[in-house]
Amino acid sequence: NSKVIQTPRYLVKGQGQKAKMRCIPEKGHPVVFWYQQNKNNEFKFLINFQNQEVLQQIDMTEKRFSAECPSNSPCSLEIQSSEAGDSALYLCASSPSGGNYAEQFFGPGTRLTVL
Amino acid sequence: SQLAEENLWALSVHEGESVTVNCSYKTSITALQWYRQKSGEGPAQLILIRSNEREKRNGRLRATLDTSSQSSSLSITATRCEDTAVYFCAANYGNEKITFGAGTKLTIKP
Repeated sequence: NSKVIQTPRYLVKGQGQKAKMRCIPEKGHPVVFWYQQNKNNEFKFLINFQNQEVLQQIDMTEKRFSAECPSNSPCSLEIQSSEAGDSALYLCASSPSGGNYAEQFFGPGTRLTVL
Repeated sequence: SQLAEENLWALSVHEGESVTVNCSYKTSITALQWYRQKSGEGPAQLILIRSNEREKRNGRLRATLDTSSQSSSLSITATRCEDTAVYFCAANYGNEKITFGAGTKLTIKP
């Protein structure tokens, strides 16, 4: 069973408000991923880190989204100015290694609702 | 574009029956993973099958990979009510990320 912790489980924000969610990866997992899962169950990759360094991120992440994984602190994903279209389940996953065959261990997600 | 997609949006079988979920993908992959996501939970990996493998088993689960047709299947035998979930295939295209399909919702009826 995954030991990735995500907080909060539910987040409700108004349009234009900041929304911040946190993730504690499994101990010893240096690679962290953030995904957005919409109401149709579709996944969108947002960003991934190895230790504190960004490996890859999509354009959306660069504009209104910011994320970090500081050492000895939870990883975080923040939306600077929430929009209705940001309503989704945000999933954090960690992996014991990078590469093509590494399993990703997911947390339960933070469900964001933007009113 | 990179894509992984399950072939059916939803399936329903009775407990004890077997069921197969199919998936297709575009371009060559390094590996294909199957995940299960139960209501209120994050996805959990079931099986990872590498591009040079044709079959992988995990208890009641069996995954196959056909690189010539760029397709994979996940079979579950002796289904149980707790197998009710959304099943995703996810393709590794060799760039650290994995690309998920939209999922097949499987319902196991008593």
